[in-house]
Amino acid sequence: DADVTQTPRNRITKTGKRIMLECSQTKGHDRMYWYRQDPGLGLRLIYYSFDVKDINKGEISDGYSVSRQAQAKFSLSLESAIPNQTALYFCATSDAGTGDQPQHFGDGTRLSIL
Amino acid sequence: GDSVTQMEGPVTLSEEAFLTINCTYTATGYPSLFWYVQYPGEGLQLLLKATKADDKGSNKGFEATYRKETTSFHLEKGSVQVSDSAVYFCALMWGTYKYIFGTGTRLKVLA
Repeated sequence: DADVTQTPRNRITKTGKRIMLECSQTKGHDRMYWYRQDPGLGLRLIYYSFDVKDINKGEISDGYSVSRQAQAKFSLSLESAIPNQTALYFCATSDAGTGDQPQHFGDGTRLSIL
Repeated sequence: GDSVTQMEGPVTLSEEAFLTINCTYTATGYPSLFWYVQYPGEGLQLLLKATKADDKGSNKGFEATYRKETTSFHLEKGSVQVSDSAVYFCALMWGTYKYIFGTGTRLKVLA
């Protein structure tokens, strides 16, 4: 089984709908992150969480919200989806540490908003 | 601000050719540097890392050396295979959480 699991893997929905993307991990990491990937732009950080009670905005948090339900679960919500939120979304985890901890990624959710 | 710049792709090579993918960075601190690889339909996977100047990261025949004087971390492989076809991301990390990724370079290796 994958260490970082994202559901769903693909989703097509309509403008204005509420969408939730889910992420669960078995790595035992405290830190979890949500990114979006767009062609030519690389990965951009949406939100990150250092533990259940510590949630922080990333560089592009507008239009998104998150919930850290447990150490192992971190969900991303789009309250009212719009077409420019069409992208590939990744959840990642990392261990706490001294600045050389790599991130571990799920396989992504491809989201299309019509 | 902090940034990572990668060469634009796609890079197309024949099997057994030498690979270089350039990466330069701008950072106010002393970051750790990473290369990640993304295969189709998958998330990014750590390929190699280096945490201080002159460190060389290596894995699966790939190498990169942390060059502080040129703020670079170029990825190299002596002989690429078709199975190396993927998108490669250079990234830096500093502080407690700040990761910055480059835009990715697509590599195509032809048999």
